[in-house]
Amino acid sequence: DAGVIQSPRHEVTEMGQEVTLRCKPISGHNSLFWYRQTMMRGLELLIYFNNNVPIDDSGMPEDRFSAKMPNASFSTLKIQPSEPRDSAVYFCASSRTASGAYEQYFGPGTRLTVT
Amino acid sequence: SQQGEEDPQALSIQEGENATMNCSYKTSINNLQWYRQNSGRGLVHLILIRSNEREKHSGRLRVTLDTSKKSSSLLITASRAADTASYFCATDRGSQGNLIFGKGTKLSVKP
Repeated sequence: DAGVIQSPRHEVTEMGQEVTLRCKPISGHNSLFWYRQTMMRGLELLIYFNNNVPIDDSGMPEDRFSAKMPNASFSTLKIQPSEPRDSAVYFCASSRTASGAYEQYFGPGTRLTVT
Repeated sequence: SQQGEEDPQALSIQEGENATMNCSYKTSINNLQWYRQNSGRGLVHLILIRSNEREKHSGRLRVTLDTSKKSSSLLITASRAADTASYFCATDRGSQGNLIFGKGTKLSVKP
């Protein structure tokens, strides 16, 4: 299994531009999680899906952030418009189901820099 | 909101020594997990301990859980330079499906 795949690995963009991050979860996993990691705030859960349905988006910072999961094998996290404070590493993770009883498998992350 | 808090924030030891990291949490849990993150990489699951378990072993890793004190510890025995990484505890929140991660302990093992 290839594991969780994220693209791009690095993204540098200018303030105001739209950014789209992509994630392919592990086949057979029913839950997908988007996290953001910064030195100041640590690892924050932004949103998670169960069976392609968003369950909890309370971690999404503001309306500039949106996430979709059109099918079981693909998810996007979009930031529009981007701001310098969005600079962070964004991780996608998947698990068999959304339960603390199951481990999460993380992708390699997308390092986003907004100038 | 932060559920798990690791202690210490940073730990530096010599190869061969044992490393102990602690995690405290605030609300009742069903499960607690430990993850490792190497620099520039995603997190990797190490071990899961359920609320009705007190201790669990996996290779050189030993995890304990004290639900009365709302705390857990991760012990790495006979550390190696390759163990250099950040270690995070993650807790669930009862029926909630997501995990809450602490800010991690940065472990440095010097050869």
